[in-house]
Amino acid sequence: KAGVTQTPRYLIKTRGQQVTLSCSPISGHRSVSWYQQTPGQGLQFLFEYFSETQRNKGNFPGRFSGRQFSNSRSEMNVSTLELGDSALYLCASSPGASGNTIYFGEGSWLTVV
Amino acid sequence: DQQVKQNSPSLSVQEGRISILNCDYTNSMFDYFLWYKKYPAEGPTFLISISSIKDKNEDGRFTVFLNKSAKHLSLHIVPSQPGDSAVYFCAASGVGGTSYGKLTFGQGTILTVHP
Repeated sequence: KAGVTQTPRYLIKTRGQQVTLSCSPISGHRSVSWYQQTPGQGLQFLFEYFSETQRNKGNFPGRFSGRQFSNSRSEMNVSTLELGDSALYLCASSPGASGNTIYFGEGSWLTVV
Repeated sequence: DQQVKQNSPSLSVQEGRISILNCDYTNSMFDYFLWYKKYPAEGPTFLISISSIKDKNEDGRFTVFLNKSAKHLSLHIVPSQPGDSAVYFCAASGVGGTSYGKLTFGQGTILTVHP
């Protein structure tokens, strides 16, 4: 069974630009969530989507947004990039109920210069 | 407000011995706990989990213990192997709408297993 797949793995953007990251969940999983990992803040929850609807959201500014498609694939977008947005962005999937194990992808490493 | 804490930044263990990684939490609404292993610039790999209705769960060399009254859990790895060297994260989730897809992570513990 294929795991969570994220693209691209590495990318470099300039301040002020926007970026879109893509995620394909484990087959059959309907929940996709996104996390940011930085050295200073650790692993932090961004948002979660289930059946194309955002069900949960962390404490990030509106520049961070996402969406989910009918095949459960998800994208997250960061607009007006700031240097502090440099991080490892992780996508995770689960069947979608509370108490389900959450499985992570390899991550997309974003550097903002 | 650190709701999940791993107070030991690092742990060094000899191959073949037991590794014990600890985690404390403050939110009594957490009812599902997980341990992940992570290498730099890669995603966390799920190791083992435990529900709040249990106090122990085993999977091969990995055992997780939960003490709800103390709000404490620990991961035991026996015997430890050099390939276990990585960062270990404790994570917790609650129930209901605000918990969907949301894990609260500790800061991680770097485990080094020496041959």
